Amino acid sequence: GDSVTQMEGPVTLSEEAFLTINCTYTATGYPSLFWYVQYPGEGLQLLLKATKADDKGSNKGFEATYRKETTSFHLEKGSVQVSDSAVYFCALSDRSNYQLIWGAGTKLIIKP
Amino acid sequence: DADVTQTPRNRITKTGKRIMLECSQTKGHDRMYWYRQDPGLGLRLIYYSFDVKDINKGEISDGYSVSRQAQAKFSLSLESAIPNQTALYFCATSDLHGGRGTYNEQFFGPGTRLTVL
Repeated sequence: GDSVTQMEGPVTLSEEAFLTINCTYTATGYPSLFWYVQYPGEGLQLLLKATKADDKGSNKGFEATYRKETTSFHLEKGSVQVSDSAVYFCALSDRSNYQLIWGAGTKLIIKP
Repeated sequence: DADVTQTPRNRITKTGKRIMLECSQTKGHDRMYWYRQDPGLGLRLIYYSFDVKDINKGEISDGYSVSRQAQAKFSLSLESAIPNQTALYFCATSDLHGGRGTYNEQFFGPGTRLTVL
């Protein structure tokens, strides 16, 4: 079945460092791909999305490109801030049943 | 006001008790979902509903039941709570048509932290 694998955390970086959180997926067909973020004590919120190959999703300085050839959707940010500390989830949506398949989440800690 | 609300936000209960978690939404979405979150396991789907008359089991429905009282309300019940149901529970909603070609973008409530002693 469909699955999402993302790098284990926690990932600890200093402020202004470059961030990459890896996400790879297994799916039949052509899923949509998402990154959600969960700030401490809050629910999940959509960070960015891509619906077809080579699409780049972007928001709040974060970017991810839908790479069909490598089945990947890695999250990147050029310069992280303390306020980016959160848990990040990669997910895919199967277009046949509209369910979201979730990665395990990666906790990001940014130190001043 | 929040679009998706959950009550209670925190609950401590004892083994064997019946518990109901409630979710309300003002987004006008047809689809509603209940997930649980455990450390290191991401989100797992418990139940989902595509409209008031349509209820479906998710990945981990055993020990849970749901009720879709109206388009805007979706409740999760634990008939006889057990300690391994201690978790963070999230309600989510999505638009039937996925919204502007984006399939199944989901909107989450703030979560209910449930502890079963």
